[in-house]
Amino acid sequence: DAGVTQSPTHLIKTRGQQVTLRCSPKSGHDTVSWYQQALGQGPQFIFQYYEEEERQRGNFPDRFSGHQFPNYSSELNVNALLLGDSALYLCASSLAGFLREQYFGPGTRLTVT
Amino acid sequence: ILNVEQSPQSLHVQEGDSTNFTCSFPSSNFYALHWYRWETAKSPEALFVMTLNGDEKKKGRISATLNTKEGYSYLYIKGSQPEDSATYLCAFPHQTGANNLFFGTGTRLTVIP
Repeated sequence: DAGVTQSPTHLIKTRGQQVTLRCSPKSGHDTVSWYQQALGQGPQFIFQYYEEEERQRGNFPDRFSGHQFPNYSSELNVNALLLGDSALYLCASSLAGFLREQYFGPGTRLTVT
Repeated sequence: ILNVEQSPQSLHVQEGDSTNFTCSFPSSNFYALHWYRWETAKSPEALFVMTLNGDEKKKGRISATLNTKEGYSYLYIKGSQPEDSATYLCAFPHQTGANNLFFGTGTRLTVIP
């Protein structure tokens, strides 16, 4: 059983560009959350998708948007990249509901130059 | 934003030593606490979900306790092994019913053979 997978592993972009990161959830999971981990910090919640809709959102600007597909996979899009967007982006999947265990992917390392 | 503190930030122990570290959190509006282990170049792995004051959880040589009245949780590792080297993160749901997590900055454990 494949766990959570993310692509690409690494990415280098230039300020002002746009980027799309992809996540495939663990088999059977229907909820996908995205987190940003900056250097020296714990992961910060960006947003969560369930039934193809954004259900919860953290304190991130509208430049961060997402999508969930009918097969539960998800994309994270970031527009107008800033140097400060350089971080590790983690995807986590779970079943819907409170206190559900979240399974994390290995992350995508984004570097903005 | 939750005021979650983990201490120490990092520690080195000899193989075979037992160790423990702390996650401190506001005792008001407590819903649940998650502990994660994150090995370098791997995905964060869920260890425990704790909800009740006085909860104790155990997984092999790793155990955790929870005191919601005073706002702390301890993670203990008995007889540390090199494979225990990782960052240990505690995390909390933002609100009841929510499945998104607010993470501490973690404790980086290095076990010296």
